[in-house]
This record gives sequence, structure tokens and C-alpha cells, in this order.
Amino acid sequence: GAGVSQSPRYKVAKRGQDVALRCDPISGHVSLFWYQQALGQGPEFLTYFQNEAQLDKSGLPSDRFFAERPEGSVSTLKIQRTQQEDSAVYLCASSFTGRRGGEQYFGPGTRLTVT
Amino acid sequence: EDKVVQSPLSLVVHEGDTVTLNCSYEVTNFRSLLWYKQEKKAPTFLFMLTSSGIEKKSGRLSSILDKKELFSILNITATQTGDSAVYLCAVGPNFGNEKLTFGTGTRLTIIP
Repeated sequence: GAGVSQSPRYKVAKRGQDVALRCDPISGHVSLFWYQQALGQGPEFLTYFQNEAQLDKSGLPSDRFFAERPEGSVSTLKIQRTQQEDSAVYLCASSFTGRRGGEQYFGPGTRLTVT
Repeated sequence: EDKVVQSPLSLVVHEGDTVTLNCSYEVTNFRSLLWYKQEKKAPTFLFMLTSSGIEKKSGRLSSILDKKELFSILNITATQTGDSAVYLCAVGPNFGNEKLTFGTGTRLTIIP
């Protein structure tokens, strides 16, 4: 595709609800990243996939957060039993693993508001 | 813990001015430093600087990396209102792959 796409763009959830956020990376990009961006802050790393393998999930804030990329393309970030502190923009990025470049390209994000 | 500090936090200048944005870092396994521009949505990639590429230029934007002093600057000359955005600096371990550690950003506002 032309760029990284994410859906939904906006999500309002009541506290305690489960949510699922989707990311479609750039076609052919091997690496996929999830970041959480709070208002007025820089993005903070959540987790990283290379193809379908989740190689680093050290940034996931709790066991309520779960990410998957079963076929090495589309990824879903799931948050169970949402809390108000989960309100943030969730950014997905992809990159092509190779000797040249490797910069990460970001999607527009999903703004999650937990009420 | 890896740390990236950007300054100033915000900057307001008039159109046509030149600005310099700063980024200092402390990381345990440095390989690359990246600059992004974030308007209302996705951060868009500007530059990546590594040991083998410590100076980059594109149009009115340029950036240098000082690996000895552990900082980078982003220069924008002849600023335009379209340059208004948050500028994010990030460091990463492997030429932009694997996780990036971001600063809080510098909010730049250009007054016509």
C-alpha cells in the first residue's frame, strides 16, 4: 500500500471494555512496531515484530495489553479491561529490514479515549 | 535507561527566521539518530544520522550528529508557516530498526 494505515482512527471505550486496534503496514515491510503517545509526549515503544515473531514486548505496560501479527502482515493490538490511563494515541510503524535505510514509517494512529 | 532530551520544548518565530532545534541523548547501544516531523497525525521521517552519515541536508532542513558530545541539531532556514509542527528526535540501536526511544519533542510555531 501507499503507507501505513490504522483503524479505527478514533475509539471511545467505557472503562472495563476490551478494544482491538488494527495496523496494516507498508507492503513488503518485515518489521512492525507499536508505540503509545500520551498528550504532549513523544511516542513510547510498546512492542516489535519481525514477520510474525514478536521479538520485543518489553514496553507493554501490563498483561492487559496483547499484540499479534499471525501472518506477518496485519497486526492487532488488543487492550483488555481498559482503564482511563490507557487513553492515548496508539501509533503503528513499519520498516523494511535491510542494509540500507531501515527508518520507521508511521501510520496516522488510533486515538483511544477511555471514559 | 535510554534517555533523549530535546530543547527548547517550544519555539515561536516569524516566517523567514532560522531556527535550531537540539537533541541530546544517553543510550547504551547507539547506532542511529532520527528526526521526525509531526503535524496533527503521523510522524513523518526527515533524517537518519549514523556513524557513517553525520550530516544530512534536504532543502531548507539540515542536521548534524556529534557522537562525541552525544547531541544532534536540526536547522531550518527561511522558515515557512508549513514548518509549524512538533519535531521529534529518536535514537535507535540498529539503523532505524528495533525500538526507537523518543524525546518529548519541540513544538515549533511560525508566525506569518
